[in-house]
Amino acid sequence: EVQLLESGGGLVQPGGSLRLSCAASEFTFSSCAMSWVRQAPGKGLEWVSGISGSGGSTYYADSVKGRFTISRDNSKNTLYLQMSSLRAEDTAVYYCAKDHGGMGAGLWYFDLWGRGTLVTVSS
Amino acid sequence: DIVMTQSPDSLAVSLGERATINCKSSQSVLYRSNNKNYLAWYQQKPGQPPRLLIYWASTRESGVPDRFSGSGSGTDFTLTISSLQAEDVAVYYCQQYYSTPITFGQGTRLEIK
Repeated sequence: EVQLLESGGGLVQPGGSLRLSCAASEFTFSSCAMSWVRQAPGKGLEWVSGISGSGGSTYYADSVKGRFTISRDNSKNTLYLQMSSLRAEDTAVYYCAKDHGGMGAGLWYFDLWGRGTLVTVSS
Repeated sequence: DIVMTQSPDSLAVSLGERATINCKSSQSVLYRSNNKNYLAWYQQKPGQPPRLLIYWASTRESGVPDRFSGSGSGTDFTLTISSLQAEDVAVYYCQQYYSTPITFGQGTRLEIK
């Protein structure tokens, strides 16, 4: 089954760090750009970061630039989000999302989403 | 950044009636070189991730019922559900992918009247 499975969420103190993972199954992972999109409790969707299929190009929202790092390991079909200097406003469900394009470069709209992993930043 | 504004914020429609959701971008998302509008629509039901409904403003994703349609160009777009079904209760988001940062509308909550 084609799917994405996020992990690594949890409770972390302000200023702390966390690494999220997203395991991909049953599609050619290395051909697809990927993104992280988050949703604060009861709020709308916010794109966080994107990465090309090769990993050579990365993109960030201003709200996380300099604090979050997106990466991927195509040999393991896994996407990562390293989050540091976490703030209360980073509290959200984090979804990984597959780009609809399959040519490596992102089109940046998303045809497959994981179930999400909850990150709570609180003391 | 391109700001996406949806209207209304919430909508109640009777079963079998038409539902219309609007989305306006702060600048054009029409790419002249290929004449494509970089605009997508998603449906999100409670406790679920978003589901892609429409891309390129009017192309229906595989498996999406044909009662869902998208229209518009440039800065003004519409998602229409031609005959509302109970399973269409959800929050709907538009999204521009013309430029990074990718941005979403604030969402429109659709309910049954």
